[in-house]
Amino acid sequence: EPEVTQTPSHQVTQMGQEVILRCVPISNHLYFYWYRQILGQKVEFLVSFYNNEISEKSEIFDDQFSVERPDGSNFTLKIRSTKLEDSAMYFCASRDRGHQPQHFGDGTRLSIL
Amino acid sequence: KQEVTQIPAALSVPEGENLVLNCSFTDSAIYNLQWFRQDPGKGLTSLLLIQSSQREQTSGRLNASLDKSSGRSTLYIAASQPGDSATYLCAVSASAGGTSYGKLTFGQGTILTVHP
Repeated sequence: EPEVTQTPSHQVTQMGQEVILRCVPISNHLYFYWYRQILGQKVEFLVSFYNNEISEKSEIFDDQFSVERPDGSNFTLKIRSTKLEDSAMYFCASRDRGHQPQHFGDGTRLSIL
Repeated sequence: KQEVTQIPAALSVPEGENLVLNCSFTDSAIYNLQWFRQDPGKGLTSLLLIQSSQREQTSGRLNASLDKSSGRSTLYIAASQPGDSATYLCAVSASAGGTSYGKLTFGQGTILTVHP
């Protein structure tokens, strides 16, 4: 069965550094998402992406964050200058049109030192 | 702002029991509702999706119901097994004029332990 893949599984970065999290969504899906889950807290929506542009973003998704779908297969989340509070598990998800479920990757654990 | 709450926070049952997990949401203008399973250190696995116009969905030993007007959903697990032990998450997708970009709002989850 097709699946969403995320790399790396764990990223350790110094505060203030840039980090790029990578995702390969399911190939025929049209909608792409990033969520995050801080340890012990709820899964939170960050951003949705459709038709090569951001369709919705949360208050968390400020100017330090950006997303790209550079080549029609990869979907990336960039954090420009990381803060300690960016430490979390970041999940990528994708879905087809209509009432279709979102499929999640296994996540990237981001640790900011 | 949509808020999703799940009760109980944790549940421990012996193998073979039938059980019910509860989810409530504050804004009934949803597009659909999904139940997920999350194993420790892993991603979310979609279990069931109920469209806003539907009342229930079934998959194997799982049955999910939706009462949109009262803002409630339940996940019923029949004949529980130790392999069902995981965190179960409920999430709702907001409606936007009959369609949705799909932003999910999650509950905090129910941690289920099924002991042999």
